[in-house]
Amino acid sequence: TQLLEQSPQFLSIQEGENLTVYCNSSSVFSSLQWYRQEPGEGPVLLVTVVTGGEVKKLKRLTFQFGDARKDSSLHITAAQPGDTGLYLCAGFIAGNNRKLIWGLGTSLAVNP
Amino acid sequence: ETGVTQSPTHLIKTRGQQVTLRCSSQSGHNTVSWYQQALGQGPQFIFQYYREEENGRGNFPPRFSGLQFPNYSSELNVNALELDDSALYLCASSLGRSTNEKLFFGSGTQLSVL
Repeated sequence: TQLLEQSPQFLSIQEGENLTVYCNSSSVFSSLQWYRQEPGEGPVLLVTVVTGGEVKKLKRLTFQFGDARKDSSLHITAAQPGDTGLYLCAGFIAGNNRKLIWGLGTSLAVNP
Repeated sequence: ETGVTQSPTHLIKTRGQQVTLRCSSQSGHNTVSWYQQALGQGPQFIFQYYREEENGRGNFPPRFSGLQFPNYSSELNVNALELDDSALYLCASSLGRSTNEKLFFGSGTQLSVL
C-alpha cells in the first residue's frame, strides 16, 4: 500500500505551459517535502511545508499543503526545459518522525 | 554539490555475494540515512544512524546492516545479495535527527545484481 500517492506519474508538456502535480494520502502528515531528482543524482529538497493551508513560492513553483495536512500540490508556471526531472513528495506521518515516507514521483519532461 | 559523497558510483555483483557501500557525510553532519530507490520508484527508507547508533529502521531484512564511524561517515552492508536488491542506494546526511533538519543527498551508488 502506497501511503503517498502522486499524480500524474508521467507528464510531457511544451515549454511555456503550466502544470500541477498532486500528492495525496489518507494519513495526516506533520510535514511534507518536495524534491526534484535528475538522472544519476540524488533528490534535492525544494521546499518543506508544515502548516495546514500553507502556500510557499519558489520563483515559478508554488507549493500548497492541504488544510487537513493530508495532501499537497506543486504548480509550475510557464515551464521551461530546465524544469525536466522527477518530482518527489515525501513526509513524516504525524506521531512517527523517524521514517520519511516517499511518493513514487512524477516524471516531468518539458519540451522546447 | 551537497557535500555528501558516495562510493562506488556503480557496482555489479552476482546473486549471493556481499557488498559494502560507503558514504561521507557533509562536514558537521552527525546523522546519516540510507535509502533504496528501485527504478521508477520513490526512495525507501532502510535505516538511520545518529552519532554511531542506529536510530530507526525501515522494512528491510537483517541482511541489510550498517555502521557509522566516529567521523560520521557510514557504510551500508548487504549480505546474500538477491536480484531484487538491484537499485540506486542513496545516502543522506543531516545536522541532526530532527524532522526539521534538511536532508542532503549524495548521488547514489547504482547496484546491479546479476
